[in-house]
Amino acid sequence: AQSVTQPDIHITVSEGASLELRCNYSYGATPYLFWYVQSPGQGLQLLLKYFSGDTLVQGIKGFEAEFKRSQSSFNLRKPSVHWSDAAEYFCAVGATEYGNKLVFGAGTILRVKS
Amino acid sequence: SQTIHQWPATLVQPVGSPLSLECTVEGTSNPNLYWYRQAAGRGLQLLFYSVGIGQISSEVPQNLSASRPQDRQFILSSKKLLLSDSGFYLCAWSKDTNQPQHFGDGTRLSIL
Repeated sequence: AQSVTQPDIHITVSEGASLELRCNYSYGATPYLFWYVQSPGQGLQLLLKYFSGDTLVQGIKGFEAEFKRSQSSFNLRKPSVHWSDAAEYFCAVGATEYGNKLVFGAGTILRVKS
Repeated sequence: SQTIHQWPATLVQPVGSPLSLECTVEGTSNPNLYWYRQAAGRGLQLLFYSVGIGQISSEVPQNLSASRPQDRQFILSSKKLLLSDSGFYLCAWSKDTNQPQHFGDGTRLSIL
């Protein structure tokens, strides 16, 4: 069965420090991949997406992610974190073979300390 | 541009009461529509999705049902709520398969 793993439930970084959030997937198909961010009590906002082509994708708010097929990973990065980045981040994976459905990871809560 | 609306934002209901949550999308036609539930500290669980009017796919057996009476309207219902139905319910839409899903602001449902 398809699965998405975000190994870190919580991460705390200092403001201005770099950030990497991990995402690993298990899919028997060619995946397409997303990262979403959720502020408390809000819906999910799309940060970036990967369908094909360049494996390093740029998103909104200064985020980027790199697709590594050999490692089945799609890690999210940001070179310098701002206090406003504190939120919960979700990785999601889909595939044409599985129709209209995405599988979401359990999320990583990012805390930013000043 | 496209927008998605969910209401109400919060809802407190007694056990055994009925439920109706509504979601509408504007600015697009024939979207794929989705209902998710998000339990505290957990990821999103897909409950239902729809690719067209009257077409509903259920992902998990549960106390809930969904309907799509109009192209851009998606309704989540229950005849008798259970305590376990508490959670944060999110509606989403996408233009097509393989396209990003865009989410509403959610409904916080508390069952007493």
